[in-house]
Amino acid sequence: DVKVTQSSRYLVKRTGEKVFLECVQDMDHENMFWYRQDPGLGLRLIYFSYDVKMKEKGDIPEGYSVSREKKERFSLILESASTNQTSMYLCASSDDQETQYFGPGTRLLVL
Amino acid sequence: AQTVTQSQPEMSVQEAETVTLSCTYDTSESDYYLFWYKQPPSRQMILVIRQEAYKQQNATENRFSVNFQKAAKSFSLKISDSQLGDAAMYFCAYWGGDMRFGAGTRLTVKP
Repeated sequence: DVKVTQSSRYLVKRTGEKVFLECVQDMDHENMFWYRQDPGLGLRLIYFSYDVKMKEKGDIPEGYSVSREKKERFSLILESASTNQTSMYLCASSDDQETQYFGPGTRLLVL
Repeated sequence: AQTVTQSQPEMSVQEAETVTLSCTYDTSESDYYLFWYKQPPSRQMILVIRQEAYKQQNATENRFSVNFQKAAKSFSLKISDSQLGDAAMYFCAYWGGDMRFGAGTRLTVKP
């Protein structure tokens, strides 16, 4: 079974802090994704990566950056957290792009 | 841009009965994939069922089946013999180069 893990289930940060969300997959997948999930909006793609050191912007990249130094790990960075970044963050990976496997999510609260 | 619409924010079903969740999408592509994902209260998103647009036959996975109407751009999920463990958020998703999610339908199962 594919396993996608995220470093934290819950996180509380203050406005202006730099925040790192980590995601690790154990299936040697090429593709990894970061989404945020908000009520009534479904999932929106922030960034994705098709290979190590490669990254592509999704629909809502503003205020975020990513890092993929190793194939199994994809990090989402909030350079200066703001209250409107309070959300659920979901990481996913896939080998064929069509079918994505998700991590448990990180619920981030920015105060 | 492709959009995915789930018109039912909430649905309720009696245990052992059948429920159908609606999904429509908008695309000009002829080749794409459609998915239903389930997100239980523990938040790990799980793939329920996947449909390839070029396949006429509706996908089924045990108690879960879809009614794929390509011309109508409709992709509904039928859950038969509903169980308490089916209670979750259900997301419809479209992949035609990138993944698009609907806003979700919260399904409640009454004992």
